[in-house]
Amino acid sequence: NAGVTQTPKFQVLKTGQSMTLQCAQDMNHNSMYWYRQDPGMGLRLIYYSASEGTTDKGEVPNGYNVSRLNKREFSLRLESAAPSQTSVYFCASRTAGTGIETQYFGPGTRLLVL
Amino acid sequence: KQEVTQIPAALSVPEGENLVLNCSFTDSAIYNLQWFRQDPGKGLTSLLLIQSSQREQTSGRLNASLDKSSGRSTLYIAASQPGDSATYLCAVFSGGYNKLIFGAGTRLAVHP
Repeated sequence: NAGVTQTPKFQVLKTGQSMTLQCAQDMNHNSMYWYRQDPGMGLRLIYYSASEGTTDKGEVPNGYNVSRLNKREFSLRLESAAPSQTSVYFCASRTAGTGIETQYFGPGTRLLVL
Repeated sequence: KQEVTQIPAALSVPEGENLVLNCSFTDSAIYNLQWFRQDPGKGLTSLLLIQSSQREQTSGRLNASLDKSSGRSTLYIAASQPGDSATYLCAVFSGGYNKLIFGAGTRLAVHP
């Protein structure tokens, strides 16, 4: 049981390049999330998927797209990377319910855009 | 709009001290509040989850309280140890069923 896994762990991009961050969970969770964490700002929600086949925007969705490939996998795509997207990206998952269940987080992807 | 604030931003204490971390939120309509720990370069680990109907939760040396009406939560750490050094994040489930809103965190350093 690996929990939530993310690839890659670290990536350097040039402005304008594209890339996809991968996330997978093996806990049979319905809901999955993508956050970014910047110094002094906590985590901000980019996109989330309440269940397979659905996605919704969070606080800071501009410049990103997501795909809920199946119940296990939720990917985040940067079509044209910008220096402002330099951040640490975290994927998380939780089972659907009444709000008593915790979220589980992956180890993060550190992205540097030059 | 829900906003979560954590005070202090950083804290340095000697080993053995009891300490309190504070979290406040602007909208009391929450489903739950969670405290997470984050070690440098790592992901987040859930420490305690308090449902909106509860007043506190305890796990070992940690005790978290929730006062929904005043929009406050505290995390109490008893007999702090160097291994407690980490960033502690508070988050509320609010503004819609599936959204977790985070504070900026308190960076704790416990020195021997």
